Amino acid sequence: AQSVTQPDIHITVSEGASLELRCNYSYGATPYLFWYVQSPGQGLQLLLKYFSGDTLVQGIKGFEAEFKRSQSSFNLRKPSVHWSDAAEYFCAVNNAGNNRKLIWGLGTSLAVNP
Amino acid sequence: DAGVIQSPRHEVTEMGQEVTLRCKPISGHDYLFWYRQTMMRGLELLIYFNNNVPIDDSGMPEDRFSAKMPNASFSTLKIQPSEPRDSAVYFCASSSSRGGTEAFFGQGTRLTVV
Repeated sequence: AQSVTQPDIHITVSEGASLELRCNYSYGATPYLFWYVQSPGQGLQLLLKYFSGDTLVQGIKGFEAEFKRSQSSFNLRKPSVHWSDAAEYFCAVNNAGNNRKLIWGLGTSLAVNP
Repeated sequence: DAGVIQSPRHEVTEMGQEVTLRCKPISGHDYLFWYRQTMMRGLELLIYFNNNVPIDDSGMPEDRFSAKMPNASFSTLKIQPSEPRDSAVYFCASSSSRGGTEAFFGQGTRLTVV
Protein backbone atom coordinates (compact mmCIF):
# COMPACT_ATOMS: atom_id res chain seq x y z
CA ALA A 1 0.00 0.00 0.00
CA GLN A 2 1.11 3.53 -0.63
CA SER A 3 2.31 5.28 2.49
CA VAL A 4 4.42 8.13 3.78
CA THR A 5 6.34 7.90 7.04
CA GLN A 6 7.69 10.78 9.01
CA PRO A 7 9.59 9.00 11.79
CA ASP A 8 9.97 12.03 14.04
CA ILE A 9 6.79 13.25 15.67
CA HIS A 10 8.49 16.15 17.39
CA ILE A 11 11.90 17.79 17.02
CA THR A 12 13.46 20.61 18.99
CA VAL A 13 16.46 22.54 17.71
CA SER A 14 18.27 25.67 18.77
CA GLU A 15 18.03 28.77 16.65
CA GLY A 16 20.90 28.83 14.17
CA ALA A 17 21.36 25.07 14.22
CA SER A 18 20.92 22.91 11.16
CA LEU A 19 17.77 20.90 10.61
CA GLU A 20 16.86 17.69 8.86
CA LEU A 21 13.32 16.30 8.82
CA ARG A 22 12.96 12.77 7.57
CA CYS A 23 10.43 11.44 5.12
CA ASN A 24 10.21 7.92 3.72
CA TYR A 25 7.65 6.76 1.21
CA SER A 26 6.34 3.52 -0.13
CA TYR A 27 5.14 3.92 -3.67
CA GLY A 28 5.20 1.63 -6.66
CA ALA A 29 5.53 4.20 -9.40
CA THR A 30 7.65 7.27 -9.89
CA PRO A 31 6.44 9.63 -7.22
CA TYR A 32 5.84 13.32 -7.08
CA LEU A 33 7.06 14.49 -3.68
CA PHE A 34 6.13 17.52 -1.61
CA TRP A 35 6.90 19.24 1.65
CA TYR A 36 4.33 21.53 3.21
CA VAL A 37 4.54 23.71 6.32
CA GLN A 38 1.67 24.61 8.62
CA SER A 39 2.00 27.45 11.10
CA PRO A 40 -0.38 27.48 14.06
CA GLY A 41 -3.91 28.34 13.02
CA GLN A 42 -2.98 28.47 9.37
CA GLY A 43 -3.44 26.37 6.29
CA LEU A 44 -0.70 24.35 4.64
CA GLN A 45 1.85 26.14 2.49
CA LEU A 46 3.99 24.42 -0.11
CA LEU A 47 7.70 24.58 0.71
CA LEU A 48 9.04 22.63 -2.25
CA LYS A 49 8.33 19.81 -4.65
CA TYR A 50 10.14 17.19 -6.67
CA PHE A 51 8.86 15.88 -9.98
CA SER A 52 11.98 14.87 -11.91
CA GLY A 53 15.49 15.98 -12.78
CA ASP A 54 17.94 17.26 -10.21
CA THR A 55 17.36 15.31 -7.03
CA LEU A 56 18.25 18.28 -4.83
CA VAL A 57 15.45 20.80 -4.90
CA GLN A 58 15.35 24.26 -3.44
CA GLY A 59 12.28 25.72 -1.83
CA ILE A 60 11.07 28.81 -0.10
CA LYS A 61 12.34 30.11 3.25
CA GLY A 62 15.79 28.62 2.69
CA PHE A 63 14.66 24.99 2.72
CA GLU A 64 15.92 22.24 0.44
CA ALA A 65 15.17 18.55 0.06
CA GLU A 66 16.96 15.66 -1.56
CA PHE A 67 15.23 12.78 -3.31
CA LYS A 68 17.03 9.48 -2.85
CA ARG A 69 15.32 6.76 -4.82
CA SER A 70 17.52 3.99 -3.39
CA GLN A 71 16.42 4.91 0.11
CA SER A 72 12.86 5.93 -0.79
CA SER A 73 13.50 9.14 1.07
CA PHE A 74 12.84 12.83 0.60
CA ASN A 75 14.40 14.55 3.60
CA LEU A 76 13.95 18.24 4.25
CA ARG A 77 16.93 20.32 5.33
CA LYS A 78 17.80 23.82 6.38
CA PRO A 79 21.34 24.92 7.27
CA SER A 80 20.35 27.49 9.90
CA VAL A 81 16.96 27.48 11.60
CA HIS A 82 15.15 30.67 12.56
CA TRP A 83 12.63 30.97 15.39
CA SER A 84 9.93 31.63 12.80
CA ASP A 85 10.45 28.13 11.38
CA ALA A 86 8.64 26.64 14.37
CA ALA A 87 5.67 24.89 12.76
CA GLU A 88 4.29 21.54 11.65
CA TYR A 89 5.90 20.01 8.57
CA PHE A 90 4.18 17.52 6.31
CA CYS A 91 5.62 15.29 3.62
CA ALA A 92 3.28 14.10 0.84
CA VAL A 93 3.47 11.98 -2.29
CA ASN A 94 1.34 11.19 -5.30
CA ASN A 95 1.83 9.38 -8.55
CA ALA A 96 2.95 10.93 -11.78
CA GLY A 97 -0.38 10.48 -13.45
CA ASN A 98 -3.52 12.51 -13.45
CA ASN A 99 -4.65 11.41 -10.04
CA ARG A 100 -4.15 14.38 -7.78
CA LYS A 101 -4.78 12.44 -4.58
CA LEU A 102 -1.93 13.06 -2.15
CA ILE A 103 -0.77 10.56 0.45
CA TRP A 104 0.29 12.39 3.59
CA GLY A 105 2.66 11.74 6.43
CA LEU A 106 1.47 12.45 9.96
CA GLY A 107 3.71 15.46 10.28
CA THR A 108 6.70 16.56 12.34
CA SER A 109 6.29 19.31 14.88
CA LEU A 110 9.33 21.58 15.04
CA ALA A 111 10.12 23.68 18.09
CA VAL A 112 12.96 26.22 18.02
CA ASN A 113 14.77 27.24 21.17
CA PRO A 114 16.15 30.77 21.33
CA ASP B 1 -4.99 35.88 -6.77
CA ALA B 2 -6.69 35.73 -3.39
CA GLY B 3 -5.95 32.06 -2.96
CA VAL B 4 -8.41 29.46 -1.73
CA ILE B 5 -11.10 31.11 0.37
CA GLN B 6 -12.98 29.26 3.05
CA SER B 7 -15.85 30.40 5.20
CA PRO B 8 -16.54 30.60 8.00
CA ARG B 9 -13.15 30.55 9.74
CA HIS B 10 -14.71 29.34 12.95
CA GLU B 11 -18.00 27.58 13.59
CA VAL B 12 -19.48 26.54 16.89
CA THR B 13 -22.69 24.57 16.74
CA GLU B 14 -24.80 22.33 18.88
CA MET B 15 -24.98 18.62 18.35
CA GLY B 16 -27.68 17.71 15.88
CA GLN B 17 -27.50 20.93 13.93
CA GLU B 18 -26.66 21.17 10.25
CA VAL B 19 -23.30 22.69 9.39
CA THR B 20 -22.27 23.97 5.98
CA LEU B 21 -18.69 24.81 5.14
CA ARG B 22 -17.89 26.78 2.03
CA CYS B 23 -14.95 26.99 -0.32
CA LYS B 24 -13.97 29.10 -3.28
CA PRO B 25 -11.02 27.56 -5.15
CA ILE B 26 -8.37 29.44 -7.03
CA SER B 27 -9.72 30.63 -10.36
CA GLY B 28 -8.80 28.26 -13.16
CA HIS B 29 -8.08 25.29 -10.90
CA ASP B 30 -9.97 22.17 -11.90
CA TYR B 31 -9.31 20.02 -8.83
CA LEU B 32 -10.84 20.66 -5.44
CA PHE B 33 -10.17 18.73 -2.24
CA TRP B 34 -11.80 18.63 1.17
CA TYR B 35 -9.62 17.56 4.09
CA ARG B 36 -10.22 17.11 7.80
CA GLN B 37 -7.44 17.55 10.34
CA THR B 38 -7.51 16.25 13.89
CA MET B 39 -4.84 15.54 16.45
CA MET B 40 -5.75 11.87 16.52
CA ARG B 41 -5.88 11.10 12.80
CA GLY B 42 -3.87 13.90 11.24
CA LEU B 43 -4.82 15.09 7.77
CA GLU B 44 -7.52 13.02 6.08
CA LEU B 45 -8.77 13.44 2.53
CA LEU B 46 -12.56 13.38 2.60
CA ILE B 47 -13.44 13.89 -1.06
CA TYR B 48 -12.08 15.44 -4.19
CA PHE B 49 -13.59 16.81 -7.39
CA ASN B 50 -12.30 17.19 -10.91
CA ASN B 51 -14.14 19.61 -13.15
CA ASN B 52 -16.94 19.78 -10.55
CA VAL B 53 -17.45 16.02 -10.58
CA PRO B 54 -16.75 13.98 -7.43
CA ILE B 55 -13.94 11.54 -8.20
CA ASP B 56 -13.22 9.88 -4.88
CA ASP B 57 -15.41 10.17 -1.80
CA SER B 58 -14.03 7.12 -0.02
CA GLY B 59 -12.80 9.32 2.81
CA MET B 60 -16.22 10.67 3.70
CA PRO B 61 -16.84 9.27 7.17
CA GLU B 62 -20.52 8.45 6.85
CA ASP B 63 -23.79 9.49 5.31
CA ARG B 64 -24.01 12.50 7.56
CA PHE B 65 -21.34 14.10 5.37
CA SER B 66 -22.05 15.35 1.88
CA ALA B 67 -20.18 17.59 -0.53
CA LYS B 68 -21.22 19.42 -3.65
CA MET B 69 -19.57 21.49 -6.31
CA PRO B 70 -22.30 23.21 -8.32
CA ASN B 71 -19.81 25.21 -10.37
CA ALA B 72 -16.09 25.72 -10.82
CA SER B 73 -15.88 28.49 -8.25
CA PHE B 74 -17.80 27.10 -5.31
CA SER B 75 -18.04 23.99 -3.18
CA THR B 76 -19.77 23.08 0.06
CA LEU B 77 -19.24 20.42 2.68
CA LYS B 78 -22.31 19.71 4.74
CA ILE B 79 -22.67 17.77 7.96
CA GLN B 80 -26.19 16.83 9.00
CA PRO B 81 -26.68 16.10 11.82
CA SER B 82 -23.43 17.19 13.42
CA GLU B 83 -21.86 15.30 16.32
CA PRO B 84 -19.12 16.26 18.79
CA ARG B 85 -16.69 13.85 17.11
CA ASP B 86 -16.94 15.96 13.97
CA SER B 87 -15.03 18.72 15.73
CA ALA B 88 -11.92 19.34 13.66
CA VAL B 89 -10.32 21.77 11.26
CA TYR B 90 -11.64 21.35 7.74
CA PHE B 91 -9.46 22.43 4.86
CA CYS B 92 -10.29 23.03 1.26
CA ALA B 93 -7.54 22.90 -1.35
CA SER B 94 -7.37 23.28 -5.11
CA SER B 95 -4.93 22.43 -7.85
CA SER B 96 -4.61 22.68 -11.60
CA SER B 97 -4.06 19.92 -14.11
CA ARG B 98 -2.22 22.43 -16.26
CA GLY B 99 0.45 23.17 -13.70
CA GLY B 100 2.26 21.16 -11.10
CA THR B 101 0.28 18.77 -9.01
CA GLU B 102 0.70 20.71 -5.82
CA ALA B 103 -2.39 21.68 -3.90
CA PHE B 104 -3.04 25.16 -2.56
CA PHE B 105 -4.81 25.26 0.77
CA GLY B 106 -7.31 27.59 2.32
CA GLN B 107 -6.99 28.83 5.90
CA GLY B 108 -9.40 26.22 7.14
CA THR B 109 -12.61 26.20 9.13
CA ARG B 110 -12.35 25.25 12.77
CA LEU B 111 -15.55 23.41 13.66
CA THR B 112 -16.57 22.82 17.23
CA VAL B 113 -19.67 20.75 17.92
CA VAL B 114 -20.88 20.97 21.52
